Amino acid sequence: ILNVEQSPQSLHVQEGDSTNFTCSFPSSNFYALHWYRWETAKSPEALFVMTLNGDEKKKGRISATLNTKEGYSYLYIKGSQPEDSATYLCALPTGANNLFFGTGTRLTVIP
Amino acid sequence: EAQVTQNPRYLITVTGKKLTVTCSQNMNHEYMSWYRQDPGLGLRQIYYSMNVEVTDKGDVPEGYKVSRKEKRNFPLILESPSPNQTSLYFCASSLGGGGQDETQYFGPGTRLLVL
Repeated sequence: ILNVEQSPQSLHVQEGDSTNFTCSFPSSNFYALHWYRWETAKSPEALFVMTLNGDEKKKGRISATLNTKEGYSYLYIKGSQPEDSATYLCALPTGANNLFFGTGTRLTVIP
Repeated sequence: EAQVTQNPRYLITVTGKKLTVTCSQNMNHEYMSWYRQDPGLGLRQIYYSMNVEVTDKGDVPEGYKVSRKEKRNFPLILESPSPNQTSLYFCASSLGGGGQDETQYFGPGTRLLVL
């Protein structure tokens, strides 16, 4: 079992605001970090897989950075829209066959 | 359309009545896995399969069985369900190993209530 922590647990932002949240993990034996987006009543959907220290990835208004030396990744959403409301999960592999998921950050964007 | 499907999506049952939740993927993926999601906890792996006839326990396998007779299907079996198995269940698949840097594709979830 890995110590993967996501913060905050939940947040509410106004439409148009930018926001960010954190995934913290043990920096030793790092291999990869996954970000998923999970809308209520839908399937979790992959956003990014990050493997290198200093990685930055972007998908539309969502971007992520990775610092493997200090053990954290940030997910940023620029100009939040109501359709961004979801739970954002990070996960790290615990071996060849398993992802260990954090408990997620639940984002609500208020119109 | 490439997808992972699960059936049923919602199920209410009683303690001890055997049930099966089906999972099927049409992407020719080698790896398939079952997770459960409970409030306040992250997704936890129940069982996984690296290929046909190859299955292994995840983090929380007690009370569950799986089989992988065909590449596309990976049913989850609860022989004698108990109320502590009330949960949201997800099936997932990936092209190769399932962990490391491979993206997993998730089904829509099955919400199970055991009375």
